[in-house]
Amino acid sequence: DARVTQTPRHKVTEMGQEVTMRCQPILGHNTVFWYRQTMMQGLELLAYFRNRAPLDDSGMPKDRFSAEMPDATLATLKIQPSEPRDSAVYFCASGLTGNSPLHFGNGTRLTVT
Amino acid sequence: AQSVTQPDIHITVSEGASLELRCNYSYGATPYLFWYVQSPGQGLQLLLKYFSGDTLVQGIKGFEAEFKRSQSSFNLRKPSVHWSDAAEYFCAVGEASNYQLIWGAGTKLIIKP
Repeated sequence: DARVTQTPRHKVTEMGQEVTMRCQPILGHNTVFWYRQTMMQGLELLAYFRNRAPLDDSGMPKDRFSAEMPDATLATLKIQPSEPRDSAVYFCASGLTGNSPLHFGNGTRLTVT
Repeated sequence: AQSVTQPDIHITVSEGASLELRCNYSYGATPYLFWYVQSPGQGLQLLLKYFSGDTLVQGIKGFEAEFKRSQSSFNLRKPSVHWSDAAEYFCAVGEASNYQLIWGAGTKLIIKP
């Protein structure tokens, strides 16, 4: 089964450090989403790409977060500098435009101390 | 305002009993409706979706959901739950499968032996 791959699965870092999370979408999918999940806020959309172009990143704190798709097989989410409030599970999801479902990765659990 | 409400944060059901998880939405356009399930430590998986046509939709793992436009609801049901159904369930609404979905806060399903 094709699946969305996220690395790392877990990341513990100190406040102020840079964090990079990676996502390999399913081959052929042309939409990629980054979500953040916390107990308090639930699922929050951070960024959305279609055909590698960012369409919406309004949910992302611009001063410290950045999302890119350097090529069709890789999406990255960077936090610099990281803060304790960034601790969460970050999910990547990919899909095709049209009536197909989103496929989620297993997430990166980030802990910032 | 567009929103999705899952009024039950937790639901406890005995194994073998029937299940209904509630989802109400507020959405300006014709909604596309989804139910996703999240098992511990994993990403979200699509259970079923409604775009148009028959208002009773069948999904994977024996789940079904009924779209009721007059009540703005899309409740998820299963006639007999299994211990493996213990998970968190999310209702979502959007304009299309891979546009920005609006997510409910989730309902955690607990199965009693």
